[in-house]
Amino acid sequence: NAGVTQTPKFQVLKTGQSMTLQCAQDMNHNSMYWYRQDPGMGLRLIYYSASEGTTDKGEVPNGYNVSRLNKREFSLRLESAAPSQTSVYFCASSFDGLGNQPQHFGDGTRLSIL
Amino acid sequence: AQKITQTQPGMFVQEKEAVTLDCTYDTSDPSYGLFWYKQPSSGEMIFLIYQGSYDQQNATEGRYSLNFQKARKSANLVISASQLGDSAMYFCAMRPTSGTYKYIFGTGTRLKVLA
Repeated sequence: NAGVTQTPKFQVLKTGQSMTLQCAQDMNHNSMYWYRQDPGMGLRLIYYSASEGTTDKGEVPNGYNVSRLNKREFSLRLESAAPSQTSVYFCASSFDGLGNQPQHFGDGTRLSIL
Repeated sequence: AQKITQTQPGMFVQEKEAVTLDCTYDTSDPSYGLFWYKQPSSGEMIFLIYQGSYDQQNATEGRYSLNFQKARKSANLVISASQLGDSAMYFCAMRPTSGTYKYIFGTGTRLKVLA
């Protein structure tokens, strides 16, 4: 019953450092998503992937890259971290057969950029 | 462009009373789904309830019901018999049934249940 697993749960970086947030789902879902959550702004879509091998930009893609490694895994990379990227990051997945399926979320990664 | 609006940043409700959390949306898609999620202070996102744009009846899930008024483009969440454990952030979300797989989220409403 793992669902969506995100690693790490917490991370502190210095400005300019790089890191990759990992996400894996075991529900055989087609679509995967990366969001950031900031106070008062809800969840904003960074990137999503409708299927293995495809990725598309969301609302706030600048400063991020993604890789859909296979059907299970979808990683988010910060090449040169900036303080504005301090946020809580959520990975989600969904099965999009009929469009009526909710997203399943990981527990989030709390990222601080100093 | 699609948009979800939640105009209530914070709400209070007395324990055991009902509360309505507002959600209005804007879309040009003919077919879409509406979702509500709960985010307790522990941070996880919990799916609560779904309403399809062509569903004839309002969705219900236990103490949660959705007051769907398509002409007004509103999909308000009603929580009956509030419990202390209902204190959380609540997010309304929408996505088209076909085409793009993007979900659009509102900014959320923080609900506090008072003993």
